[in-house]
Amino acid sequence: DVKVTQSSRYLVKRTGEKVFLECVQDMDHENMFWYRQDPGLGLRLIYFSYDVKMKEKGDIPEGYSVSREKKERFSLILESASTNQTSMYLCASSLHRDRSNQPQHFGDGTRLSIL
Amino acid sequence: QKEVEQDPGPLSVPEGAIVSLNCTYSNSAFQYFMWYRQYSRKGPELLMYTYSSGNKEDGRFTAQVDKSSKYISLFIRDSQPSDSATYLCAMSEHNNAGNMLTFGGGTRLMVKP
Repeated sequence: DVKVTQSSRYLVKRTGEKVFLECVQDMDHENMFWYRQDPGLGLRLIYFSYDVKMKEKGDIPEGYSVSREKKERFSLILESASTNQTSMYLCASSLHRDRSNQPQHFGDGTRLSIL
Repeated sequence: QKEVEQDPGPLSVPEGAIVSLNCTYSNSAFQYFMWYRQYSRKGPELLMYTYSSGNKEDGRFTAQVDKSSKYISLFIRDSQPSDSATYLCAMSEHNNAGNMLTFGGGTRLMVKP
């Protein structure tokens, strides 16, 4: 079974802090994704990555950056946290960029509160 | 108009009922269809994965795709309290580099004992 692990289940940070959310997958997947999930808005894609050191903007990248130094690890960075970034953050991975239509597998999420 | 529409619910049914969950979509290029189940405070887990039109059955779950109507369904037979969760539909186009998915907003299901 695919295992996607997010480092923290719950996180509380202050406005203006730099926040790091970590995600690790153990199935040698090439593609990794970061989403946020908010009531009434569903899942929204922040950033994704096809390979090490590669990144692409999703639908709502403003205020976020990402890092993929190793294939199994994809980090989401909130450069200067704001209260409107309080949300559930979900990491996902899928098998291979050139094998289209592979389903994505999700971690259990990080519930982030910015005070 | 959203690309994928899903009634948010909540849908409340008694234990043992047959549940029907549905999504409609507007993009005729969607070829692959998925259903995810998300328990409270957990991430979505893949439940069903189908290609193009037709039915797929897995235990108590049946996924149905009607591409001519741009309508997909998930049926749950003999529903159990443990089926109480939010169900998300997701879909993607063929030759979809990067495996991008378009999600519905989710339907919250409550199965009462």
